[in-house]
Amino acid sequence: QKEVEQNSGPLSVPEGAIASLNCTYSDRVSQSFFWYRQYSGKSPELIMSIYSNGDKEDGRFTAQLNKASQYVSLLIRDSQPSDSATYLCAVAPKDSSYKLIFGSGTRLLVRP
Amino acid sequence: SAVISQKPSRDICQRGTSLTIQCQVDSQVTMMFWYRQQPGQSLTLIATANQGSEATYESGFVIDKFPISRPNLTFSTLTVSNMSPEDSSIYLCSVDGGAGGLDEQYFGPGTRLTVT
Repeated sequence: QKEVEQNSGPLSVPEGAIASLNCTYSDRVSQSFFWYRQYSGKSPELIMSIYSNGDKEDGRFTAQLNKASQYVSLLIRDSQPSDSATYLCAVAPKDSSYKLIFGSGTRLLVRP
Repeated sequence: SAVISQKPSRDICQRGTSLTIQCQVDSQVTMMFWYRQQPGQSLTLIATANQGSEATYESGFVIDKFPISRPNLTFSTLTVSNMSPEDSSIYLCSVDGGAGGLDEQYFGPGTRLTVT
């Protein structure tokens, strides 16, 4: 079992819709969770971090964490074609010396 | 967040040679990390570089193949030694988020390496 799992996609949504990206992780004691956006040919860009159960909102982005289910998600409201990218979920296990474990990423395509 | 630069941005190298990649940050950071992203793959941590100590390598990566230097709090280098085509990849450095979040990581633009 992979430590951090994501559906590779592509996830295709129409412009203006809500895109829902999901991630599961295997280490139950993981403490910190991150979503990165990576455009083709570019480096990953941190867009959200979440540490506690529940929702965290930042503009059009909402991260949701459920530690009991070992599940973290990212919702993108009012999706725009410029949101088309690969979204990487990253998890920091407890006592990891700040090591991040990345999922394989979900490719999002927002259709105009 | 810090501004991170990497040199070179890309290179084409012959097998058996070595390439040193530089990572420069515009502010002092505690931790610097080196990742590899092979074509179509996600990121794999190579090693963590802290100033004043030896780099800590992840399973599958060894110092002889990927020597790392961290001479100060704003600079690090990664050398890819005795290269083979399997080393063709994007190499990324990242830095910690500082007081705002040590476990957050911010990435440099990457170095695209092709080994022929």
